[in-house]
Amino acid sequence: DAKTTQPPSMDCAEGRAANLPCNHSTISGNEYVYWYRQIHSQGPQYIIHGLKNNETNEMASLIITEDRKSSTLILPHATLRDTAVYYCIVRVKPGTYKYIFGTGTRLKVLA
Amino acid sequence: ETGVTQTPRHLVMGMTNKKSLKCEQHLGHNAMYWYKQSAKKPLELMFVYSLEERVENNSVPSRFSPECPNSSHLFLHLHTLQPEDSALYLCASNEDRNTGELFFGEGSRLTVL
Repeated sequence: DAKTTQPPSMDCAEGRAANLPCNHSTISGNEYVYWYRQIHSQGPQYIIHGLKNNETNEMASLIITEDRKSSTLILPHATLRDTAVYYCIVRVKPGTYKYIFGTGTRLKVLA
Repeated sequence: ETGVTQTPRHLVMGMTNKKSLKCEQHLGHNAMYWYKQSAKKPLELMFVYSLEERVENNSVPSRFSPECPNSSHLFLHLHTLQPEDSALYLCASNEDRNTGELFFGEGSRLTVL
């Protein structure tokens, strides 16, 4: 599975959009990009995933560059409850079980 | 409520004790996972079971022994642990034939004295 690189921490003002970047320059054509978040001492929570096209759901939007070497998770109107560690993962879907989590980005939403 | 339940939520044990962590998923998934999360470290994948067969075993010491009696239940048996094994142990499940996103339990916080 491709390795991902994320900034260790970011701050965002409450009510503003939070844009969390992820680099995955070695991604293969059949690997998907997944995003999870982990609020302090809880289990990680799935947010969104995509292959090539941009995706949106009730939680967030995922923007994947045309060359697929990087992506951005967008939380459109961040709230204090969005303070968490955000993980970007790439994996083949389905059929492999190696969901490898990196160190993620610690997002702090400021009042 | 994610549909994945872990018990106990907190466990304190001595190095000579034997204990077990339990995970139950109510989602009809076909794969179950154990992860370890030590303080200020990323999640480490320990074991994966698919259709009750172990498919991943990431060089985990033998003092950790997994068991998957059926597709809904997963155990992690613990014996002669070390203080450095103190961590949050997370169970997850997914339906790997589809989108495959993981559903995590709340974790079992283990302290080894």
